[in-house]
Amino acid sequence: GAGVSQSPSNKVTEKGKDVELRCDPISGHTALYWYRQSLGQGLEFLIYFQGNSAPDKSGLPSDRFSAERTGGSVSTLTIQRTQQEDSAVYLCASSLGRRRYSETQYFGPGTRLLVL
Amino acid sequence: AQKITQTQPGMFVQEKEAVTLDCTYDTSDQSYGLFWYKQPSSGEMIFLIYQGSYDEQNATEGRYSLNFQKARKSANLVISASQLGDSAMYFCAMRDNTDKLIFGTGTRLQVFP
Repeated sequence: GAGVSQSPSNKVTEKGKDVELRCDPISGHTALYWYRQSLGQGLEFLIYFQGNSAPDKSGLPSDRFSAERTGGSVSTLTIQRTQQEDSAVYLCASSLGRRRYSETQYFGPGTRLLVL
Repeated sequence: AQKITQTQPGMFVQEKEAVTLDCTYDTSDQSYGLFWYKQPSSGEMIFLIYQGSYDEQNATEGRYSLNFQKARKSANLVISASQLGDSAMYFCAMRDNTDKLIFGTGTRLQVFP
């Protein structure tokens, strides 16, 4: 079966431009997560969607970051007025959404964002 | 606050030998899950093994096993019979009732012939 897919694989943009990153979760997974991995670092939680509930936005670093999930499936992470410190790999993950601590999250291949 | 600590930035192991990657965690929750992921140079995060806080036996998945010591709050990953393809970054992570994963900073494992 298909795993989590993300697009684009790589994105180079100029400082100040807006970018959109897309995530398509595993079919049937109701929970979707966005993480950020800066060079040589661990993963940093950004935002979490669970079904029709209000998203957990507690990890978004600034109001330039936003995300939406349409129809309970595909999600788009938008970064407005990009800064050089936004350069990182953005990883999306999905899980069944049964809200149990034992639930495994499955990751996509990531989008490598470079802000010049 | 929840926290994962991986104190080994890098580890070397010879092919066919076993290696232990350390992970300690901090949480005030009684129910939590501990996960290990592998990240090869290609960048994808590959799930390896899971241990629940109430599991009495250490988890095993093929060549991977988790040495879970709850009183010490440690969840070390043991890779037996290392292979060249095991060279990668390894991340320990914890999930509690907040649903998100908290990751450590990772350990880079290099397997040499």
